Amino acid sequence: GENVEQHPSTLSVQEGDSAVIKCTYSDSASNYFPWYKQELGKGPQLIIDIRSNVGEKKDQRIAVTLNKTAKHFSLHITETQPEDSAVYFCAPIYDKVIFGPGTSLSVIP
Amino acid sequence: EAGVAQSPRYKIIEKRQSVAFWCNPISGHATLYWYQQILGQGPKLLIQFQNNGVVDDSQLPKDRFSAERLKGVDSTLKIQPAKLEDSAVYLCASSLFLLNDGYTFGSGTRLTVV
Repeated sequence: GENVEQHPSTLSVQEGDSAVIKCTYSDSASNYFPWYKQELGKGPQLIIDIRSNVGEKKDQRIAVTLNKTAKHFSLHITETQPEDSAVYFCAPIYDKVIFGPGTSLSVIP
Repeated sequence: EAGVAQSPRYKIIEKRQSVAFWCNPISGHATLYWYQQILGQGPKLLIQFQNNGVVDDSQLPKDRFSAERLKGVDSTLKIQPAKLEDSAVYLCASSLFLLNDGYTFGSGTRLTVV
């Protein structure tokens, strides 16, 4: 079955620094690659997504890059702020969605 | 637009009791999902509906869990009888299209089985 991994599992950065989270997947037919942010006590929230015909997408301070050949995609957050502290999940899709195990990001003021 | 509504927010029950969760998706979203999220893990799909039909329930423990989506709008997830290992957050999500589309999640119901 589909295997989804995230690295690192925890990440701590100083406010203003950049953060990068990598997601690797096993199903080469995956064609939709979203990232979700989950704050304490809330449901996951879609923050950015990319489709298989695009290599990179940017939305203000966040970006996602896709390497279909290597079967991984990454979330990039620049100029991190304390409110970026949360758990981030990737959830690549082909015929079903499988969420990664999550990456806990802490931004230290 | 209004978000995905879930109730209750919290529930504490004893093992072997039954419990039901309710979800109202975003208006117009044909696809509805129930996820189980155990503390420290990613959400795990329990069941997926397209309108009022089941698309995928392969990971639903059918001996104790059931779900329905009458009239293709609201949905109810039931557990009977509950076990200690059912303690988790139960998330409902909806999307406009089946696959290849982002989900909108509700805030979830935190279930504690004692």
